[in-house]
Amino acid sequence: GPKVLQIPSHQIIDMGQMVTLNCDPVSNHLYFYWYKQILGQQMEFLVNFYNGKVMEKSKLFKDQFSVERPDGSYFTLKIQPTALEDSAVYFCASSLGLGGSSYEQYFGPGTRLTVL
Amino acid sequence: GDSVTQTEGQVTVSESKSLIINCTYSATSIAYPNLFWYVRYPGEGLQLLLKVITAGQKGSSRGFEATYNKETTSFHLQKASVQESDSAVYYCALGGRAGNTRKLIFGLGTTLQVQP
Repeated sequence: GPKVLQIPSHQIIDMGQMVTLNCDPVSNHLYFYWYKQILGQQMEFLVNFYNGKVMEKSKLFKDQFSVERPDGSYFTLKIQPTALEDSAVYFCASSLGLGGSSYEQYFGPGTRLTVL
Repeated sequence: GDSVTQTEGQVTVSESKSLIINCTYSATSIAYPNLFWYVRYPGEGLQLLLKVITAGQKGSSRGFEATYNKETTSFHLQKASVQESDSAVYYCALGGRAGNTRKLIFGLGTTLQVQP
């Protein structure tokens, strides 16, 4: 089936530095998402992105977070500066549309971010 | 608020035995809840197992089935006879139909171990 790729699979970074997580969504999908899962906790929604704009974001999507997808390339999540509580696995997802079966979200394998 | 509860963190079942994984939900801000079961096999990303968007309906896939019960706010996952290859982590998720929120709200996940 359609695949979402995430690069890198694991990133270790010092607190205060910037990090960019990359997602290669399914090629014809239009809606993009980031979710965050802290070890032992539920996967939680961060942000939904469509047509170059953030459509919806949660309280977890702090001011230090930003997303973009320049010119149809990777969909990225940037954290600047990073904090210890940003350590988690970040999952990217994409969907074709919003209604019926096009609403189905396809997930990547996740990027494990460790902030030291 | 909106939430999903999976009561079992881990379930161990012998091959060919039946399985039930419990899921209940609370959808206070989503007018038309959609319900999903996702599965993560070892080393892979989340995959959609089945979904139901209409209360009272049953979804099925790969021998698994789940019925969307609005009265009991439940969406339990069942299988009559499990196989070793079903060993994975299963996530119940709540989402909104078109016109509502696009995010998915996940349960904590239930790790299924099938013993030969």
